Amino acid sequence: QITLKESGPTVVKPTQTLTLTCTCSGFSLSTGGVGVTWIRQPPGKALEWLALIYWNDDKRYSPSLKSRLTITKDTSKNQVVLTMTSMDPLDTGTYYCAHTIFGEFPLQYGIDVWGQGTTVTVSS
Amino acid sequence: QSALTQPASVSGSPGQSITISCTGTSSDVDNYNLVSWYQQAPGKAPKLIVYEVTKRPSGVSNRFSGSKSGNTASLTISGLQAEDEADYYCCSYAGRDTFLLFGGGTKLTVL
Repeated sequence: QITLKESGPTVVKPTQTLTLTCTCSGFSLSTGGVGVTWIRQPPGKALEWLALIYWNDDKRYSPSLKSRLTITKDTSKNQVVLTMTSMDPLDTGTYYCAHTIFGEFPLQYGIDVWGQGTTVTVSS
Repeated sequence: QSALTQPASVSGSPGQSITISCTGTSSDVDNYNLVSWYQQAPGKAPKLIVYEVTKRPSGVSNRFSGSKSGNTASLTISGLQAEDEADYYCCSYAGRDTFLLFGGGTKLTVL
């Protein structure tokens, strides 16, 4: 059974850097085709895609946030880490990590398993 | 790149069918058969209900069906049930640079 769980601070101050960890189980980050993606959702608003990392360390970022985001993976711990710099109150929301597969095409089978999400509040 | 466009809300009575549209551009929805749909109940994580425009994951009811025409994808829910009341999001691959776009979400109310 594939599961993902997000962890990190619940509150960060403006201008600080946010570091979130996604701990994955039921699959290996080194298995061909595997990808882990981060998506966020401000309170009462829509989902917003942030970043994705594949088994081969290929990475993709949202163009609007690319300068602030870094996604990495630790295969030995089966974890994916997302860092976001220069945090602002507008970055407040729930952050999800999720599993996907690169079949013949990117995200061919959708984002099929989601973590429960972790809530981050940006406030001084 | 702008988000995909969805109606803010739709409603229907139990047993009826509803359709939610998702409008993109020639760079995303129209260019790739990589549209997926997600159902999000209040306070819960999204759940995949359709991928590759028309396919359903194992365990998802066949009351959910997806389609696409040009730059507009659609999700149809037939035989509406109270448990279908949720927010629904479309998502499309948008090429190597933009990569992935979500719609603004549609709130479904079962009357």
